[in-house]
Amino acid sequence: QSALTQPASVSGSPGQSITISCTGTSSDVGSLNVVSWYQQHPGKAPKLMIYEVTKRPSGVSNRFSGSKSGNTASLTISGLQAEDEGDYYCCSYATTYTYVFGTGTKVTVL
Amino acid sequence: QVQLVQSGAEVKKPGASVKVSCKASGYTFTNYFLHWVRQAPGQGLEYMGIIRPGDGSTSYTQKFQGRITMTRDTSTSTVYMDLSSLSSEDTAVYFCAREQERDFWFDPWGQGTLVTVSS
Repeated sequence: QSALTQPASVSGSPGQSITISCTGTSSDVGSLNVVSWYQQHPGKAPKLMIYEVTKRPSGVSNRFSGSKSGNTASLTISGLQAEDEGDYYCCSYATTYTYVFGTGTKVTVL
Repeated sequence: QVQLVQSGAEVKKPGASVKVSCKASGYTFTNYFLHWVRQAPGQGLEYMGIIRPGDGSTSYTQKFQGRITMTRDTSTSTVYMDLSSLSSEDTAVYFCAREQERDFWFDPWGQGTLVTVSS
């Protein structure tokens, strides 16, 4: 199972919006609406930010939103803040009890 | 609150085995699945497999088949991940993460356990 493709890095100024793409195949991202997104700060465990493509867990800022079109999912961060810096990973259920993660995107706030 | 607390860092020699634990608290242990994910230094997340504490059944990704074993102890609400025939490529931080059945997402995650394989 190949990793989902994400851009290596995305940057933006405070207050701007950025979008991170996550491209897979019809066997993973395109098959079910079960893409999730995780934020990871250096030396920390990943944190769930988006699940089922568009849903936000309780406590996650509404500046984070998700979408999907075909085999590509996207995470948008609006009103970019310094605390949003970190690594972001998408994840999709792939086959029976197998998951695949994205390659990861480093977000930098300029 | 829901918490997953993992065992401490390990240093192993090539060819050895390592057993990492993940102790759950704050919820009914047998009602949720637990997954293992690893992250090599400076690299991305890699999915390893799942254990269902209710019945102890497991599923592993093909890459680790034959050298990974996941077990659970319901009396202590702890799951274990045993990885054998270690090589330097297994040097990584290993995370456990919880999933409610058929939710398809992981929340929360353990704090991670660094396993270093070095001669």
